[in-house]
Amino acid sequence: KNEVEQSPQNLTAQEGEFITINCSYSVGISALHWLQQHPGGGIVSLFMLSSGKKKHGRLIATINIQEKHSSLHITASHPRDSAVYICAVEASGSRLTFGEGTQLTVNP
Amino acid sequence: EAGVTQSPTHLIKTRGQQATLRCSPISGHTSVYWYQQALGLGLQFLLWYDEGEERNRGNFPPRFSGRQFPNYSSELNVNALELEDSALYLCASSQDGRNYGYTFGSGTRLTVV
Repeated sequence: KNEVEQSPQNLTAQEGEFITINCSYSVGISALHWLQQHPGGGIVSLFMLSSGKKKHGRLIATINIQEKHSSLHITASHPRDSAVYICAVEASGSRLTFGEGTQLTVNP
Repeated sequence: EAGVTQSPTHLIKTRGQQATLRCSPISGHTSVYWYQQALGLGLQFLLWYDEGEERNRGNFPPRFSGRQFPNYSSELNVNALELEDSALYLCASSQDGRNYGYTFGSGTRLTVV
């Protein structure tokens, strides 16, 4: 079992839909990161969380430390949101452990 | 402000050769991290350098090595290349990862033939 599990692996939505991507982890962590990877490979850091909830534009990230679970929500999804979304946890030694990623496709 | 820059963008090498990948962090960032993303696999932590020292290392053989220079830029060297080393190699930098997060470069795509 991977230390970081994401679901779903693939997600197809229509423009405007509300999207949720889930991340569960099995180790104690100091922080959890949500990353966005576009075709070509470049990665953008979306959020870093250690508790509670953060919001940036149409993106919302939440974390429940007790349940070892985090969610990334996208409101009013748009085709430009199409990308791979990756959850990563930081346990010790500034070493990130990554989930497998969720491929999101938003159709117009 | 310039982001994290990696060079080259693409690199093609023959099995058994050595590859050198370079990373320049954001100004003011002292830590550099290297990750490997092989085709169809998730990102794997390779190396962490801070203030010129190797601080942590992932589960990779010794032929993966690197260094960090006084200006905080970094090199990743892969010796005796194998076909399965073909991957996207990503570099990230941080001022203090736990408190400020990470900024990623666009990666170097290494192909071993």
